[in-house]
Amino acid sequence: GAGVSQSPSNKVTEKGKDVELRCDPISGHTALYWYRQSLGQGLEFLIYFQGNSAPDKSGLPSDRFSAERTGGSVSTLTIQRTQQEDSAVYLCASSSYRQGTQYFGPGTRLLVL
Amino acid sequence: KQEVTQIPAALSVPEGENLVLNCSFTDSAIYNLQWFRQDPGKGLTSLLLIQSSQREQTSGRLNASLDKSSGRSTLYIAASQPGDSATYLCAVLGETSGSRLTFGEGTQLTVNP
Repeated sequence: GAGVSQSPSNKVTEKGKDVELRCDPISGHTALYWYRQSLGQGLEFLIYFQGNSAPDKSGLPSDRFSAERTGGSVSTLTIQRTQQEDSAVYLCASSSYRQGTQYFGPGTRLLVL
Repeated sequence: KQEVTQIPAALSVPEGENLVLNCSFTDSAIYNLQWFRQDPGKGLTSLLLIQSSQREQTSGRLNASLDKSSGRSTLYIAASQPGDSATYLCAVLGETSGSRLTFGEGTQLTVNP
């Protein structure tokens, strides 16, 4: 596609429910990143996928967070048993190689009530 | 641990002024530095990427410089326009930070007509 797309654009959920966030990277980009942007915390790295290599999960805040990337393209970020502190904008980015320009999607705004 | 600081946090200027945004980072072992803009409620738009071996990059009215040894970068915006109003973020890709970008808190720019 022309750019990185994310869905849904907004998600409201109740505390304790699971949510899935989707990212479609730019076609041909082998690197895919998830970040979180919350008030007072700035932008935080969550996870990085590069081709078929094992993902860098070092930024995931707890074991309630997981992500997968199927077929080297689409990625899904799953948050289990959501908490109110999970409320944030979740941003996905992709790049053609690890040290290349990272292009960001519009984000998914998650609100946990 | 890499830390990125942006000064000022907010800036308001009249249309037509030239302005400079500052970014500093604590660990000079970086691969590159990237400048983004973020409009309210939107994702990040990449403006410029400077590789560690480069001193500056230019795109239209924007010029970014990098002094890796002193841990500083500046974004120069010439002849500012109201459409330039946004939050500007700088981010570094460190040699020892894996694949993550480390972001500053941003400078919120308002250009008044």
